[in-house]
Amino acid sequence: EAGVTQFPSHSVIEKGQTVTLRCDPISGHDNLYWYRRVMGKEIKFLLHFVKESKQDESGMPNNRFLAERTGGTYSTLKVQPAELEDSGVYFCASSQFYGVGGFSGANVLTFGAGSRLTVL
Amino acid sequence: SQQGEEDPQALSIQEGENATMNCSYKTSINNLQWYRQNSGRGLVHLILIRSNEREKHSGRLRVTLDTSKKSSSLLITASRAADTASYFCATLSYNTDKLIFGTGTRLQVFP
Repeated sequence: EAGVTQFPSHSVIEKGQTVTLRCDPISGHDNLYWYRRVMGKEIKFLLHFVKESKQDESGMPNNRFLAERTGGTYSTLKVQPAELEDSGVYFCASSQFYGVGGFSGANVLTFGAGSRLTVL
Repeated sequence: SQQGEEDPQALSIQEGENATMNCSYKTSINNLQWYRQNSGRGLVHLILIRSNEREKHSGRLRVTLDTSKKSSSLLITASRAADTASYFCATLSYNTDKLIFGTGTRLQVFP
């Protein structure tokens, strides 16, 4: 079974430019999450899709960030325009969906390797 | 706000020694999970403990949970150089599918 794949693995852009990160979750996983880790800090939740719907986007920093999941398969996270503080590693994760709270309350996530974003 | 905090931030030990990492959280939880991240890779799920459990084992891993203190510990026994990684706790609250992660503990095991 293929895991969660993310592209690109590393992106270096200038401040003000646009970057689009892509995540392909495990086939059949309706839950898809984006997280971000800034150097040395916590892994911070950004948003959660169930299929193509945004279940929770409370962690999105501002309107420069746009996440989509058309068709409920892969997802993209666009940052436009990028700022210096957007630098970090963006992780995507997926899990099966059993309803809010999960089947027997588990919700174990499978993560991708991350996309490292460097904004200069 | 994020709620997991791991302690210590960094830990260095020799192979064969035990490593203990602690995690504190703020709200009531459904379960608590530990993940490992090797450098340049994604997080890998290690073990899950439910709110009604106090201790759980998996191979060389032992996890405890104290809901009254809102804390958990991860013990790795007989550590190996391959255990070198960052370890994160993550909590799942009731009525949500959102895992909240902490800052992580960076473990270095010297051969």
